[in-house]
Amino acid sequence: DADVTQTPRNRITKTGKRIMLECSQTKGHDRMYWYRQDPGLGLRLIYYSFDVKDINKGEISDGYSVSRQAQAKFSLSLESAIPNQTALYFCATSDAPSYEQYFGPGTRLTVT
Amino acid sequence: RKEVEQDPGPFNVPEGATVAFNCTYSNSASQSFFWYRQDCRKEPKLLMSVYSSGNEDGRFTAQLNRASQYISLLIRDSKLSDSATYLCVVNPPPGGGNKLTFGTGTQLKVEL
Repeated sequence: DADVTQTPRNRITKTGKRIMLECSQTKGHDRMYWYRQDPGLGLRLIYYSFDVKDINKGEISDGYSVSRQAQAKFSLSLESAIPNQTALYFCATSDAPSYEQYFGPGTRLTVT
Repeated sequence: RKEVEQDPGPFNVPEGATVAFNCTYSNSASQSFFWYRQDCRKEPKLLMSVYSSGNEDGRFTAQLNRASQYISLLIRDSKLSDSATYLCVVNPPPGGGNKLTFGTGTQLKVEL
């Protein structure tokens, strides 16, 4: 089984809808991250969490919120989806002292 | 100047060729460096970490030049299966919060 899983894998939604992307991990890592990837722009950090009580904004957090329900679960919400949030979303985990990050398979989100 | 810059390519090389990618970074105090591999529409996967003066793993060699602020990835005896996008990733100085900065990637196509 995969160490980092994401659900759903694909989602099409309409402008203005609320949507939640979920991430679960079995690696036992404390640190979890949400990224989005757009063609030509690379991976950009949305939010990150170093433990259950710690939530931090990344470089593009506007329009997104997160919840760290447990060490193993980190959810990303789009409160009111807009078309420019169409992207590939990745969850990742890491653990000190290594900075290496391990990614989930991604969620392809389309907002029409 | 972007924090991490890469030539987007594509690099089209014949099977068996040697190919090298460079990546420059802007923060001279950056501590750790990585190369990730990303196949089309898949998650990034760690290829190599690059510490101090570089390291080698089979056909892959990564070099770090702190004075010039660049890292390189050399692939010898290219295989068709090496076709992918290679992401240069930089870890900020201590206090940067374990947030990685990703380059936009260099695309490699290995051809028969």
